[in-house]
Amino acid sequence: EAGVAQSPRYKIIEKRQSVAFWCNPISGHATLYWYQQILGQGPKLLIQFQNNGVVDDSQLPKDRFSAERLKGVDSTLKIQPAKLEDSAVYLCASSLAHGPHEQYFGPGTRLTVT
Amino acid sequence: QQPVQSPQAVILREGEDAVINCSSSKALYSVHWYRQKHGEAPVFLMILLKGGEQKGHEKISASFNEKKQQSSLYLTASQLSYSGTYFCGTEYTDKLIFGTGTRLQVFP
Repeated sequence: EAGVAQSPRYKIIEKRQSVAFWCNPISGHATLYWYQQILGQGPKLLIQFQNNGVVDDSQLPKDRFSAERLKGVDSTLKIQPAKLEDSAVYLCASSLAHGPHEQYFGPGTRLTVT
Repeated sequence: QQPVQSPQAVILREGEDAVINCSSSKALYSVHWYRQKHGEAPVFLMILLKGGEQKGHEKISASFNEKKQQSSLYLTASQLSYSGTYFCGTEYTDKLIFGTGTRLQVFP
């Protein structure tokens, strides 16, 4: 069974530029999550999708971050414009359903904003 | 609202035991445990549900005190492969909030 795929693995941009991350969850997983992990901290949930609907985006900085899940499968997370404090690893995870289910994480995208 | 973990760091010799604690200020539906090795993604260890149900790997044990809103992860006879940062995730309203993390290092 293929795992969660993410690309790119690394990205370096200057502040005020835009960037997009892509995630392909495990086949059949209805729930998809985007997390931001700053060095030395635990993952912080940005947005949670159930199929192609948003379940929770309360911690997504909506003035600069946006996300969509195309046809309930893969997803993109965009930042525009980026700030220095956006430097972090962006993790995508998926699970069979929302609630108390194991989350499978992708390898992450390490973003550096200079 | 972020759950607090203790201790922040643990250093062990192979074969020694450790306990990692997770405490929340909110009533919980479930507690999840993940391990993250340096530069890698978090890996699922266990879920503990209200009512006592557990889902996870056989070699990992944990407890969930619903009244105290606390969970503990028990690592016995530690191996080098146990090294990493352990995160608890507390769940209510279908959203998982990860804790502050406990860094575990196991030496030969």
